[in-house]
Amino acid sequence: NAGVMQNPRHLVRRRGQEARLRCSPMKGHSHVYWYRQLPEEGLKFMVYLQKENIIDESGMPKERFSAEFPKEGPSILRIQQVVRGDSAAYFCASSPGEGKGTEAFFGQGTRLTVV
Amino acid sequence: SQQGEEDPQALSIQEGENATMNCSYKTSINNLQWYRQNSGRGLVHLILIRSNEREKHSGRLRVTLDTSKKSSSLLITASRAADTASYFCATDTGRRALTFGSGTRLQVQP
Repeated sequence: NAGVMQNPRHLVRRRGQEARLRCSPMKGHSHVYWYRQLPEEGLKFMVYLQKENIIDESGMPKERFSAEFPKEGPSILRIQQVVRGDSAAYFCASSPGEGKGTEAFFGQGTRLTVV
Repeated sequence: SQQGEEDPQALSIQEGENATMNCSYKTSINNLQWYRQNSGRGLVHLILIRSNEREKHSGRLRVTLDTSKKSSSLLITASRAADTASYFCATDTGRRALTFGSGTRLQVQP
């Protein structure tokens, strides 16, 4: 089991470009969570997805940000028209799902730098 | 304050000493979890304590939970330099994803 895989590990984008962050959950996990972490701070919840469904996007900005978890393939966090304030580490976590444990397994994160 | 706040924000101790970190939260929980994050890395799950449990041990880790005070503590005994990391508590309310605090940065001096 390879664990939660995120790519790329580092991403540099110019202001106004789009950033696409990918997350492959652990095998058998059907729940995916995205968090954002600013330097020296904790993790801020962004969005919670199950296959083909967004369960909770209350932590995600309404504009420019979107997330999906298709039936096949990784979960994608997409940031359009990036701004300097989007620079952060973005972590993806997965869990087995309701009734099977809520312990979250984290990827190594994608560090987005907007220049 | 937010759900899941750790105290202190930073802690520096000598190798061999014990380290205690506290976490307070606001709403009812199903369980509370502690995670560790090494600099520049992802979080690693350490221990989970359910709302009906008061204490749990795992190796050199001891976690307590007081639901009446809405607080938890993480004790690391006989600390090692390799324990240097940030430690986060996370609350599971059963309604959404885990909610993390701002973390305690632990520095263990060799």
